[in-house]
Amino acid sequence: QVQLVQSGAEVKKPGASARVSCRASGYTFTNFYIHWIRQAPGQGLEWMGWINPNSGDTDYAPKFQGRVTLTRDTSISTAYMELSRLRSDDTAIFYCARIYYHPLTGYGYYLDYWGQGTLVTVSS
Amino acid sequence: QSVLTQPPSVSGAPGQRVTISCTGSSSNIGATYDVHWYQQLPGAAPKLLIYVNNNRPSGVPDRFSGSKSGTSASLAITGLQAEDEADYYCQSYDRSLNGAVFGGGTKLTVL
Repeated sequence: QVQLVQSGAEVKKPGASARVSCRASGYTFTNFYIHWIRQAPGQGLEWMGWINPNSGDTDYAPKFQGRVTLTRDTSISTAYMELSRLRSDDTAIFYCARIYYHPLTGYGYYLDYWGQGTLVTVSS
Repeated sequence: QSVLTQPPSVSGAPGQRVTISCTGSSSNIGATYDVHWYQQLPGAAPKLLIYVNNNRPSGVPDRFSGSKSGTSASLAITGLQAEDEADYYCQSYDRSLNGAVFGGGTKLTVL
């Protein structure tokens, strides 16, 4: 069965960086883009960006451009999200999710499997 | 400020029907991109509830249904049950962003 398993909670100081991993299993990792979504405490879902695990191509939401870096290691079917220059308002749960999308037909673009979420707390 | 607009909250008694609206623009829903819905139970990750406007993944009860028209979409829940109490999010693709956009979420309270 498809699973996305994320790394554990982190506590960081303002100005530091946080790196969250997302290990995929149960499917061919390079066949589906991985998206990252942020959810601040008591708030909604906020799209951060995506990575194509096959090519390594990425795209980021304007709000996070310059602060977020998405990478992957295909040898271990794992995607990574690094957020730099952390601020207290970056405290949130970060989710990775697999997207189902057929680029030739434009069909889909929905997040069919999600990781369990990783809480990153930014505090001095 | 979310790209897609949802009501912050809806409520209904057990057995009733409720609907949740999701309004977008010409760069997402209005550009004929599909709408998808997620259910987030307290303390859990979001779960896909409806995909491509009106399709249910295996295991989702047929009490949940979706529709889309123009720049808007709706999620309907019939025969409300206590376990339906959750946050619901709509999502689409936005061509200006070249990425996913979400609604702000709607908290469903079962009275």
